[in-house]
Amino acid sequence: DAGITQSPRHKVTETGTPVTLRCHQTENHRYMYWYRQDPGHGLRLIHYSYGVKDTDKGEVSDGYSVSRSKTEDFLLTLESATSSQTSVYFCAISESTETDTQYFGPGTRLTVL
Amino acid sequence: SQKIEQNSEALNIQEGKTATLTCNYTNYSPAYLQWYRQDPGRGPVFLLLIRENEKEKRKERLKVTFDTTLKQSLFHITASQPADSATYLCALDWGYQKVTFGTGTKLQVIP
Repeated sequence: DAGITQSPRHKVTETGTPVTLRCHQTENHRYMYWYRQDPGHGLRLIHYSYGVKDTDKGEVSDGYSVSRSKTEDFLLTLESATSSQTSVYFCAISESTETDTQYFGPGTRLTVL
Repeated sequence: SQKIEQNSEALNIQEGKTATLTCNYTNYSPAYLQWYRQDPGRGPVFLLLIRENEKEKRKERLKVTFDTTLKQSLFHITASQPADSATYLCALDWGYQKVTFGTGTKLQVIP
């Protein structure tokens, strides 16, 4: 988890409320990612960023938005949380000079009631 | 669509033996294949990467093979220890920020 923090680490919220998860890195890596991890599905990419204000969709982006106003911060927003978004969310970073070896944060456990 | 298969059942192995985990995939071979370790309640940790033109890669007690003909990677832990107990994920790395992760295999090393 070196150099990557996520906040909050745990959150319980109600259906329909907005939720923002934060990822902060101190490694100055260019690329940042948000994944969700669910039993039987493994890690699935939600969105990623390839620079400040540069983002792109991943495999499961519906219902999520992201923003990156600084190199070190990548925010994931659930505009109106649903129970299907109950999951563990991981942020990852990479330098991606040749390969895309990724370094993960500790995760955020989100429960939507 | 691309699929990755890792044994969904846990692998139990006696301490000191070699653990072998399998990662099979369909369709195209990636440029790179990665292995990660994940402990309960924590994020995955990168272990090893192997390129498509490499047959084998070693790091301490770890060894990875990559057979693009069989579309398979094997991950070996020699002289396994209880501390090696974790879930191990394989990931297909296509480059350009495209990585597909498997669901992982849980390894339990029994003292």
